[in-house]
Amino acid sequence: AQKVTQAQTEISVVEKEDVTLDCVYETRDTTYYLFWYKQPPSGELVFLIRRNSFDEQNEISGRYSWNFQKSTSSFNFTITASQVVDSAVYFCALSEAGRDDKIIFGKGTRLHILP
Amino acid sequence: KAGVTQTPRYLIKTRGQQVTLSCSPISGHRSVSWYQQTPGQGLQFLFEYFSETQRNKGNFPGRFSGRQFSNSRSEMNVSTLELGDSALYLCASSLGPSSGQETQYFGPGTRLLVL
Repeated sequence: AQKVTQAQTEISVVEKEDVTLDCVYETRDTTYYLFWYKQPPSGELVFLIRRNSFDEQNEISGRYSWNFQKSTSSFNFTITASQVVDSAVYFCALSEAGRDDKIIFGKGTRLHILP
Repeated sequence: KAGVTQTPRYLIKTRGQQVTLSCSPISGHRSVSWYQQTPGQGLQFLFEYFSETQRNKGNFPGRFSGRQFSNSRSEMNVSTLELGDSALYLCASSLGPSSGQETQYFGPGTRLLVL
């Protein structure tokens, strides 16, 4: 069965600090997809990244970077030089590319960036 | 290009009533998925419609139903409302069937309060 664990329920950091959000997943499939979404107070989930299981290359997008390690079943998300606008709930999600390809979300990590 | 729109944004109902929520996907998107978000259970998949057919269904009772129209707009209906149905209901659209190969884009949600 598929499962996504975001062990950090809530994190607070001071602006300009770097912060890493952890995501550990479980799946029996060899082909799967991992996602990160951001949910600001407005409620709408904003897509950040999608990664397939065959692409372990780390990705950087501005201040955001993602570290995908199949050996530890982790897909961690780092924000460099955090800003107050980064305050939100961040969700990691997993989808197996098989018959049951529903997307399963982790419980989310609430990130507070303090000015 | 307009994003996913959901109506109404807020709704208050009483136990036993029924409710219909509407979702208009991004133009050209043919898949619509629905999610329920609560503080306790997090984000849970309700169902997905693609080309007017229900393609996938989560573990929710039969009181939760949906449909999709030929223009890809979707509605979900909850009958005999219970207090536990109070939640943020999110709709997401994607170009094709919502497997990991497609990125889902979310609407702002409908916040339902059942009294």
